[in-house]
Amino acid sequence: TQLLEQSPQFLSIQEGENLTVYCNSSSVFSSLQWYRQEPGEGPVLLVTVVTGGEVKKLKRLTFQFGDARKDSSLHITAAQPGDTGLYLCAGADDKIIFGKGTRLHILP
Amino acid sequence: GAGVSQSPSNKVTEKGKDVELRCDPISGHTALYWYRQSLGQGLEFLIYFQGNSAPDKSGLPSDRFSAERTGGSVSTLTIQRTQQEDSAVYLCASSLMGSGYTFGSGTRLTVV
Repeated sequence: TQLLEQSPQFLSIQEGENLTVYCNSSSVFSSLQWYRQEPGEGPVLLVTVVTGGEVKKLKRLTFQFGDARKDSSLHITAAQPGDTGLYLCAGADDKIIFGKGTRLHILP
Repeated sequence: GAGVSQSPSNKVTEKGKDVELRCDPISGHTALYWYRQSLGQGLEFLIYFQGNSAPDKSGLPSDRFSAERTGGSVSTLTIQRTQQEDSAVYLCASSLMGSGYTFGSGTRLTVV
């Protein structure tokens, strides 16, 4: 069974700080996706990474796919209250498997 | 439509009753997925439709759960004889092959 472990489960930090959240698996995935989910809404796709070692930037968010395509990280620079939400990673093979997410709260 | 539409947005039902949840995917998206999200849990895969292929039903938790997709578009997830443990948010997503998912806002099901 493929599993994606996300850490930390919860993170509460002050506005302006930097943070990194992690997504790890013992399985290799053909691609990995990151989503953000806000209360009462479905997850929204942020990025898809495909190549081992790939780095993608989305404004203050930097996503990295591990060389072995088993893990990924999301780094947020100068966090803002609008970054608050549940961040989910999802590994794609024949279907997409989701981690349990990191619940991020940015304090103003 | 512009996005994935799910109805109803909220459903409260009595234990033992049947419920039907509807998903309208993005026009042209060949793949449609159902997931279940319980409080504090990740997304649990339920079922996957891809074009005219036989659906992947490997995630359905029991034979009380079934789903169909008519005409390659709208999908209905049916839960028979609902139990309290079925209470969750049911999310539908659609995609083009190889691309990320677009999710609907979900149906919050409460079984009392």
